[in-house]
Amino acid sequence: EIVLTQSPATLSLSPGERVTLSCRASRSIGTYLTWFQQRPGQAPRLLIYDAFNRATGIPARFSGSGSGTDFTLTISSLEPEDFAVYYCQQRSEWPLTFGGGTKVDIK
Amino acid sequence: EVQLVESGGGLVKPGGSLRLSCAASGFTFRIYNMKWVRQAPGKGLEWVSFINDNGNYITYTDSVRGRFTISRDNTKNSLYLQMNSLRADDTALYYCARDLSTVIRASDLWGQGTLVTVSS
Repeated sequence: EIVLTQSPATLSLSPGERVTLSCRASRSIGTYLTWFQQRPGQAPRLLIYDAFNRATGIPARFSGSGSGTDFTLTISSLEPEDFAVYYCQQRSEWPLTFGGGTKVDIK
Repeated sequence: EVQLVESGGGLVKPGGSLRLSCAASGFTFRIYNMKWVRQAPGKGLEWVSFINDNGNYITYTDSVRGRFTISRDNTKNSLYLQMNSLRADDTALYYCARDLSTVIRASDLWGQGTLVTVSS
């Protein structure tokens, strides 16, 4: 199965800062990479699909990039509601797999 | 309102069974692929099973294959997960989720989850 490795595991940042989250796949997945946000006690929320497509209603401060094995989620300026856990997920092949998550918390 | 609502979770002994349900409303359920995803307490997300729009393509993660069965009833706008031979490591919050489209297996709509606890 394809293993997704997210780094770092935790980031401590302040509102207004720019953040870059990494997701690396164990082999090429093209652009079949999805990003989710999960706030405490809530279900995951789709942010980005197929590497760089923002889902409906997602603010423009969220952007995705990458292809092959290396992917990035960027938040241009952190808002208070962005402090959460972020997961990447590949849909290139079965089984679908998720990364271990990156927690973005308040510094 | 467009939503998914899971039910059927609870406490069950190892080796026992549960049937989870997911009721869809506010959208045309029969044209969407669906999946189950679980999250063990304090852990990350794990995909469990997928079923396509008409139910003729189904797949599972290895750890549940042969024990869990996904199904759907498009006349009732409902998704199901029959879970047999439950183990302690099946303990998790189980989410049902809708795919964005028949070709994009990215889930854009999630329920709030139903908790399954397997313990003696």
